[in-house]
Amino acid sequence: GEDVEQSLFLSVREGDSSVINCTYTDSSSTYLYWYKQEPGAGLQLLTYIFSNMDMKQDQRLTVLLNKKDKHLSLRIADTQTGDSAIYFCAEKKEGYQKVTFGTGTKLQVIP
Amino acid sequence: DGGITQSPKYLFRKEGQNVTLSCEQNLNHDAMYWYRQDPGQGLRLIYYSQIVNDFQKGDIAEGYSVSREKKESFPLTVTSAQKNPTAFYLCASIGWGALLGTEAFFGQGTRLTVV
Repeated sequence: GEDVEQSLFLSVREGDSSVINCTYTDSSSTYLYWYKQEPGAGLQLLTYIFSNMDMKQDQRLTVLLNKKDKHLSLRIADTQTGDSAIYFCAEKKEGYQKVTFGTGTKLQVIP
Repeated sequence: DGGITQSPKYLFRKEGQNVTLSCEQNLNHDAMYWYRQDPGQGLRLIYYSQIVNDFQKGDIAEGYSVSREKKESFPLTVTSAQKNPTAFYLCASIGWGALLGTEAFFGQGTRLTVV
């Protein structure tokens, strides 16, 4: 079955690192994504990782994937106030067009 | 530029009225989705369509209806049977993206308020 879970809220101080966690249940997932939603707007693709990778780094963003535990994390280094948003993880299986989204984590950055 | 457009951005509905939210995409995507987002909650799937003239109920379809007469368009009607329609509605299409094989593209959302 498909189920993607995240904690609802995370608060960090500006300049610190943020780590947003996600767990998923479908072991056949092949694409795992992170989306960012700013207030009153749609979701924007932030980064992604394939299921055959363990880590991906893109500037301040690091995605870690633990396939054994079905755990995905997004680390934001040097968190800025502009990073305040809701972050959604999502998964997709090879050959299927459906993308399943997590519940979203609201990141609050304190100046 | 290709993209997905929702309109209107804000919509007010009187109790007992039906309203229709528009979603148009020019990305040539087959699959389109409607989600509802309430404060402090994630996305809940209302309806989705994998192909023209076909659509399926999501997790919270009661009180909503859709049509998919054209590939580009997937309008959502919020009927009077939906008892708590005030929410933020997001439309998405899923298909080939520039970054990787398949990704979801979202509209900017419609905020519906019952007055």
